[in-house]
Amino acid sequence: QSALTQPPSASGSPGQSVTISCTGTSSDIGGYTYVSWYQQHPGKVPKLMISEVNRRPSGVPDRFSGSKSGNTASLTVSGLQAEDEADYYCSSYAGNNNYVFGTGTKVTVL
Amino acid sequence: EVQLVESGGGLVQPGGSLRLSCAASGFSFSSYWMHWVRQAPGKGLAWVSFINSDGSTTSHADSVKGRFTISRDNVKNTLYLQMSSLRVEDTAVYYCTRDLFSGMDVWGQGTTVTVFS
Repeated sequence: QSALTQPPSASGSPGQSVTISCTGTSSDIGGYTYVSWYQQHPGKVPKLMISEVNRRPSGVPDRFSGSKSGNTASLTVSGLQAEDEADYYCSSYAGNNNYVFGTGTKVTVL
Repeated sequence: EVQLVESGGGLVQPGGSLRLSCAASGFSFSSYWMHWVRQAPGKGLAWVSFINSDGSTTSHADSVKGRFTISRDNVKNTLYLQMSSLRVEDTAVYYCTRDLFSGMDVWGQGTTVTVFS
């Protein structure tokens, strides 16, 4: 149950796009379509942004999109806005009713 | 309003026990899988435990296996986490979450567990 690997930080200017990677193995990301992404502002509760690799829950802006290729999942934030500055975590189903989170990425809006 | 409210956190010495509760409201609790997720101070999210809708299937992270037990009472609409043999490294905010297609779409506000020596 090793954590999924994310870059510690990512940044972009307002209006630009930023993509965060999340690398796992064939036992988690590569083996299932159950990858989700969460946004967490400082001192706040995490919020689901993407489920099942690329499904956006109601209320999540379409600037947020997800994808997966092999053992790596990605979250792209297009048209970056100041309120997108937060920590982002990926998560994946890992078989046998186990789940794993990523190490987290701090997104900075320059 | 869909809501999860955790309680039961506190200060405990290593080797001690605590039981966390999570009261659900605003949705059909018995229809949903549930999880516990924790976040140590200044650290990232870590999955702790899973339980299916009727409580017949559970799983736990290796780091807590044999020490923590997840359970639920679908009559009381409440999720539990029984924690024993607590260690300093179990210090964290513990969140109760609702599962939606293996994404966690509803989170409680969290309850803080501090294990101090």
